[in-house]
Amino acid sequence: AQSVAQPEDQVNVAEGNPLTVKCTYSVSGNPYLFWYVQYPNRGLQFLLKYITGDNLVKGSYGFEAEFNKSQTSFHLKKPSALVSDSALYFCAVRDSTGGFKTIFGAGTRLFVKA
Amino acid sequence: DTGVSQDPRHKITKRGQNVTFRCDPISEHNRLYWYRQTLGQGPEFLTYFQNEAQLEKSRLLSDRFSAERPKGSFSTLEIQRTEQGDSAMYLCASSLAGLAAYEQYFGPGTRLTVT
Repeated sequence: AQSVAQPEDQVNVAEGNPLTVKCTYSVSGNPYLFWYVQYPNRGLQFLLKYITGDNLVKGSYGFEAEFNKSQTSFHLKKPSALVSDSALYFCAVRDSTGGFKTIFGAGTRLFVKA
Repeated sequence: DTGVSQDPRHKITKRGQNVTFRCDPISEHNRLYWYRQTLGQGPEFLTYFQNEAQLEKSRLLSDRFSAERPKGSFSTLEIQRTEQGDSAMYLCASSLAGLAAYEQYFGPGTRLTVT
């Protein structure tokens, strides 16, 4: 069965510092991996995805994520955090061999302090 | 705005009543998804359509829940005999179809409160 774990409920970082939001997954086949962001009173927005190819994928707003197959991880990163990055971040996975069901993690709240 | 729209945005109902929500996806998107999100949790998959065909349905979706997508355009999600545990945000998303795994575009959600 598919599953996603986001081990941190909240990540605190100072503005200008690098940030990492962690995600690990479990699927039977090859994973399709996604990151979404949810700002207050706004819908979920797509940030980036990994389908195949280069393990480092770049997305919106300067975010990037690194796919690590051996560690079954897909951590979200940004070299320099902004206060406006403060939001709720969700990691999601879809099994390439099993339908179109997408499983989301419980979310990690990122708080960037000025 | 040509994004995903949902109606209504908020619904308050009494236990035992039926409710229906509507989702209008992005016009060129063949795939449509319904999710439920409760406080402190990520979206939970409910069901998926490709055009008008409902191809996948979560085991979490009891027989009180039904979804349709007539003509492969808008979709409705109906909850019969609502229970307090149905209180949640109901999200709709759409995506392109094809062999690639396309990202989903989410609507603003319908917040259901069952009293």
